Amino acid sequence: GAGVSQTPSNKVTEKGKYVELRCDPISGHTALYWYRQSLGQGPEFLIYFQGTGAADDSGLPNDRFFAVRPEGSVSTLKIQRTERGDSAVYLCASSFLQVGDTEAFFGQGTRLTVV
Amino acid sequence: QQQVKQSPQSLIVQKGGISIINCAYENTAFDYFPWYQQFPGKGPALLIAIRPDVSEKKEGRFTISFNKSAKQFSLHIMDSQPGDSATYFCAASVSGGGADGLTFGKGTHLIIQP
Repeated sequence: GAGVSQTPSNKVTEKGKYVELRCDPISGHTALYWYRQSLGQGPEFLIYFQGTGAADDSGLPNDRFFAVRPEGSVSTLKIQRTERGDSAVYLCASSFLQVGDTEAFFGQGTRLTVV
Repeated sequence: QQQVKQSPQSLIVQKGGISIINCAYENTAFDYFPWYQQFPGKGPALLIAIRPDVSEKKEGRFTISFNKSAKQFSLHIMDSQPGDSATYFCAASVSGGGADGLTFGKGTHLIIQP
């Protein structure tokens, strides 16, 4: 596809379970970002990848959250021992270079609901 | 600490009117200021962006005004249309070194009444 693709679109999980959220960036984009958007709020930065490495993970709220990008393309956000407060829309964005130098394109998001 | 403050939270404008949304920032290192438009169930999409070397940028019906000394920038939507009804986010980042990407405002829910 031409845009950023996120799967699944919706995920309902029970408190305490483990979830994985996937992001397929635009081909050729080296920069990949994960954001979390709570209801009625703006997106909040979680983690930034440049290629395969996490250049900045300062936005991850705690050690239950982890993300990988092993081949410099697809990324997976992993949440362990989910809590009800993790419920939000998780957005992925990619850009050719770092955002601010080139435009960032967002996926449609994964709506995570922890019950 | 909220680095980008956006107002108003919600806005209702008559069709054909001018919609104005304001943002203020704190971090003087920010040098890239985009506006994003988001429809329900969709991700944010870039609308227009400005850098601090200019005070105004216009693209079609959308204009960004930028005041570096006041650390404020605003979005003006001229001849507002019902299709413009969406949530708008201002954002800011540091290019060439700002690894944490975009810092967003809390958003403005815009309704254009026909």
